[in-house]
Amino acid sequence: TQLLEQSPQFLSIQEGENLTVYCNSSSVFSSLQWYRQEPGEGPVLLVTVVTGGEVKKLKRLTFQFGDARKDSSLHITAAQPGDTGLYLCAGWGAQKLVFGQGTRLTINP
Amino acid sequence: NAGVMQNPRHLVRRRGQEARLRCSPMKGHSHVYWYRQLPEEGLKFMVYLQKENIIDESGMPKERFSAEFPKEGPSILRIQQVVRGDSAAYFCASSGGGNQPQHFGDGTRLSIL
Repeated sequence: TQLLEQSPQFLSIQEGENLTVYCNSSSVFSSLQWYRQEPGEGPVLLVTVVTGGEVKKLKRLTFQFGDARKDSSLHITAAQPGDTGLYLCAGWGAQKLVFGQGTRLTINP
Repeated sequence: NAGVMQNPRHLVRRRGQEARLRCSPMKGHSHVYWYRQLPEEGLKFMVYLQKENIIDESGMPKERFSAEFPKEGPSILRIQQVVRGDSAAYFCASSGGGNQPQHFGDGTRLSIL
């Protein structure tokens, strides 16, 4: 069974600080996706990483896929209150997405 | 709005009743996935369907749960004889197939009294 472990599970920081969320597995994934979910809504895709070692940037968000395609990280620079939400990583394996348990991020003004 | 549409958004049932959750995929998508989410947790895969076919139901409980995606109309997730433990948010996603990105609906929140 493929599993994805996210850490930390909860993170509360002040506006302007930097943070990193980790997504780790013992399994290799052909691709990995990051989603953000707001209360009462479905997850919204932020990025897909496919190649080992790949780095993608989305404004203040930087996503990295590990060289062995077993782990990924999301780094947010100068966090803003609008970044508050549940961040989910998901790996594509065996025709379905396997989700991590999520990181609940709160940015305090 | 051409996105994934789920209804109802909220559903309340008493123990023993049936719950039917509907999902209309994004236009042009013929692949549908159902997930279940408990509070403050990630999404757990339940079933993957294409039109008129169940491709992977490895995440579906063996009893009381069934899913279909008919040739015409929405995909339906059906839960018979609901129990308190079925309370959760159920999300549907659709894609164009393969490992193309999945687009999610806003879910159905099922509450069992």
